[in-house]
Amino acid sequence: AQRVTQPEKLLSVFKGAPVELKCNYSYSGSPELFWYVQYSRQRLQLLLRHISRESIKGFTADLNKGETSFHLKKPFAQEEDSAMYYCALANAGGTSYGKLTFGQGTILTVHP
Amino acid sequence: EAGVAQSPRYKIIEKRQSVAFWCNPISGHATLYWYQQILGQGPKLLIQFQNNGVVDDSQLPKDRFSAERLKGVDSTLKIQPAKLEDSAVYLCASSSAKASGRARGEQFFGPGTRLTVL
Repeated sequence: AQRVTQPEKLLSVFKGAPVELKCNYSYSGSPELFWYVQYSRQRLQLLLRHISRESIKGFTADLNKGETSFHLKKPFAQEEDSAMYYCALANAGGTSYGKLTFGQGTILTVHP
Repeated sequence: EAGVAQSPRYKIIEKRQSVAFWCNPISGHATLYWYQQILGQGPKLLIQFQNNGVVDDSQLPKDRFSAERLKGVDSTLKIQPAKLEDSAVYLCASSSAKASGRARGEQFFGPGTRLTVL
């Protein structure tokens, strides 16, 4: 069975400090990994995905298949980064392609 | 483009009553998902539709939950009878089967319906 683990429920940092939100997964096939974000009073939305290998709002995430991790990083946190962050894994193929398995989420608070 | 619409936004019922939620996906999105999000947890998929057919309902408690997407557009999720543990936010999401590149498989979420069962 596939599983996504986010070990930190809460993470607090000061503005300008580096931030890393941890995500580990278990999956028998070749996974597609995502980070979704939910800002206060807004909808859940896609932040980035591993196959794009891009930086969004200064965030990056590298898929490490050896460690089965997909940690989200930003070198200098901003107050507007405060939100709930979910790591998610998708079935890469088959009839239920796109089905997402979410982690429990990490609440990031960036203090001024 | 208009986003995923859901109604109602909030619902309070007593246990053993029934309730229904409605979702209108983004126009042209063939795939529709219903998730249940219990407080403090991540969303959990209940059912996935491709057009009007069910792709995955392995985590849907079929003794009390049902869902349909008759014309391949709008969808309804019903709970009958409700239990206390059904209190949660019910999220609807949709995605396009035609998207490619970065957009492939991206799910767009509605605002959710917060259900409280007393």
